[in-house]
Amino acid sequence: GAVVSQHPSWVICKSGTSVKIECRSLDFQATTMFWYRQFPKQSLMLMATSNEGSKATYEQGVEKDKFLINHASLTLSTLTVTSAHPEDSSFYICSLKAASGNYEQYFGPGTRLTVT
Amino acid sequence: GENVEQHPSTLSVQEGDSAVIKCTYSDSASNYFPWYKQELGKGPQLIIDIRSNVGEKKDQRIAVTLNKTAKHFSLHITETQPEDSAVYFCAASLTGNQFYFGTGTSLTVIP
Repeated sequence: GAVVSQHPSWVICKSGTSVKIECRSLDFQATTMFWYRQFPKQSLMLMATSNEGSKATYEQGVEKDKFLINHASLTLSTLTVTSAHPEDSSFYICSLKAASGNYEQYFGPGTRLTVT
Repeated sequence: GENVEQHPSTLSVQEGDSAVIKCTYSDSASNYFPWYKQELGKGPQLIIDIRSNVGEKKDQRIAVTLNKTAKHFSLHITETQPEDSAVYFCAASLTGNQFYFGTGTSLTVIP
């Protein structure tokens, strides 16, 4: 399977500040990356789909101006949580899909965000 | 949209016994069904998957069965070991794009 890294693995920030989370594909080119959010003891909820070189597609109810996604290359996608609030505290996980014809998604290790 | 239900939410088995987790889905167009294992504080790890043109798939102690008519699929783990303890998620997808996840099953294998 693919190797996906995320940085940072955990971050604590103050309310009102912005936080950037990086998602990297280490061993192959990812045409599509996905960003999920997972609250404690809950399932994964898709936030947005990120395609290299184009604007991300956001799921209903996800504020695109608050969760900025940039997929600048085939190996890197970033999620920036702007003006973070305590309710944004969550586990953020990226996944990637290798190429058309392959259905598998490979997940990163996640980033624990705590907003104080 | 797709709706995936997963049962049970918690499952405890004795080491060496089998564990079965079941999921149902609503959209008959879904054609890809992966299973993920998630350990505490980590991202989900793909353990097995199945496409709609196959009824069963096995990989050592893990197997998945799919009943397209009834729209349900199941994960079977045989000869369970303590390291199998984790949260397991099923998902349904159309061609591997948007994944709709089940609510998860917390599996505990008692030594």
